[in-house]
Amino acid sequence: AQSVAQPEDQVNVAEGNPLTVKCTYSVSGNPYLFWYVQYPNRGLQFLLKYITGDNLVKGSYGFEAEFNKSQTSFHLKKPSALVSDSALYFCAVETARQLTFGSGTQLTVLP
Amino acid sequence: KAGVTQTPRYLIKTRGQQVTLSCSPISGHRSVSWYQQTPGQGLQFLFEYFSETQRNKGNFPGRFSGRQFSNSRSEMNVSTLELGDSALYLCASSSATGGLNNEQFFGPGTRLTVL
Repeated sequence: AQSVAQPEDQVNVAEGNPLTVKCTYSVSGNPYLFWYVQYPNRGLQFLLKYITGDNLVKGSYGFEAEFNKSQTSFHLKKPSALVSDSALYFCAVETARQLTFGSGTQLTVLP
Repeated sequence: KAGVTQTPRYLIKTRGQQVTLSCSPISGHRSVSWYQQTPGQGLQFLFEYFSETQRNKGNFPGRFSGRQFSNSRSEMNVSTLELGDSALYLCASSSATGGLNNEQFFGPGTRLTVL
């Protein structure tokens, strides 16, 4: 069965600094990986996805993610964090049209 | 294009009652999926409908059911509500023309509170 792990419940970073939100996955076959963001009292917003091809995926709002097959990781990154990036971030893997989510990481960007 | 809409946004029910939640997908999208979000269990897949047929189902009891109409709108029903059913219920739509890897667009959710 597929699974996704987000090892950090909380990540704090200063505004202007680079940020990384970690994600590792376990899935048989080729992984289809996603990052979503959730703001308070809102649904999930799609950030980016990895299907195949280039290991560095660029997404919305300046975010990018690096797919590493040997480490089964798909970490979310941004070169310079903004206070407005503060939100709950979810990594997910899709199999059979079903998304399996990680537990989420609360990102707080400090001014 | 209008996004995914869910109604109502908030619901308060008591144990033993039943509830119906509604989801209207993005125009042209034929796949609708439902997810439950709770602080304890996180985001969990409930089921997916495509062209009025349930294609996939998560590990939830039979009290949770759904359906999809010919216009792709979907409803989710929970019968005999329990306190543990209190959650944010999210609906997502995708074009999902049969293949994998279609991006799912989420609605704002329905916050269900069971007293």
